[in-house]
Amino acid sequence: DGGITQSPKYLFRKEGQNVTLSCEQNLNHDAMYWYRQDPGQGLRLIYYSQIVNDFQKGDIAEGYSVSREKKESFPLTVTSAQKNPTAFYLCASSIVGTGGPEAFFGQGTRLTVV
Amino acid sequence: GQQVMQIPQYQHVQEGEDFTTYCNSSTTLSNIQWYKQRPGGHPVFLIQLVKSGEVKKQKRLTFQFGEAKKNSSLHITATQTTDVGTYFCGFGNEKLTFGTGTRLTIIP
Repeated sequence: DGGITQSPKYLFRKEGQNVTLSCEQNLNHDAMYWYRQDPGQGLRLIYYSQIVNDFQKGDIAEGYSVSREKKESFPLTVTSAQKNPTAFYLCASSIVGTGGPEAFFGQGTRLTVV
Repeated sequence: GQQVMQIPQYQHVQEGEDFTTYCNSSTTLSNIQWYKQRPGGHPVFLIQLVKSGEVKKQKRLTFQFGEAKKNSSLHITATQTTDVGTYFCGFGNEKLTFGTGTRLTIIP
């Protein structure tokens, strides 16, 4: 089945530790995105990538880093510099083409930092 | 930069009543999409609008894109409990950004 997979579903880390969230897609999509969602809040864009080996900062990139070494993968690292890392993280992918992107989302990773 | 306001933030309706959420932009949008996120779930794409004045329907859902391409609405006729969730508008070609969402709750 084609889709986008995020792992793990739940993640607990101690304050001060870096943590990497996985996002893999087998939809052959060029574009991938990372969003953060806080309880009762909307989706805020962290980073996005339109093509392998290239990515751009979104609206809240501080304290996060990404890589795009393969078309299928777009891991997100939450660094110790992120002041409030506890949140629900969503990865999405879409085709790059005419018109707007129809984004497919993963199931999300709930990160809790204690 | 582009600013999009989505209203209302919350909406509580009796089952069977209608529901509408609006997205209003300060600048012209090239396209707009609508997504639904069920409680505890992830956003799911519903539809995309591209043309000025475009209207699309999906069963009880009606989507509109304004003539000036600065606003859009999602209207649900005769809500059902399955409509519960948060509805987001999305916009942008490369940088896909979302409105703040409207959370719909339904009183049976």
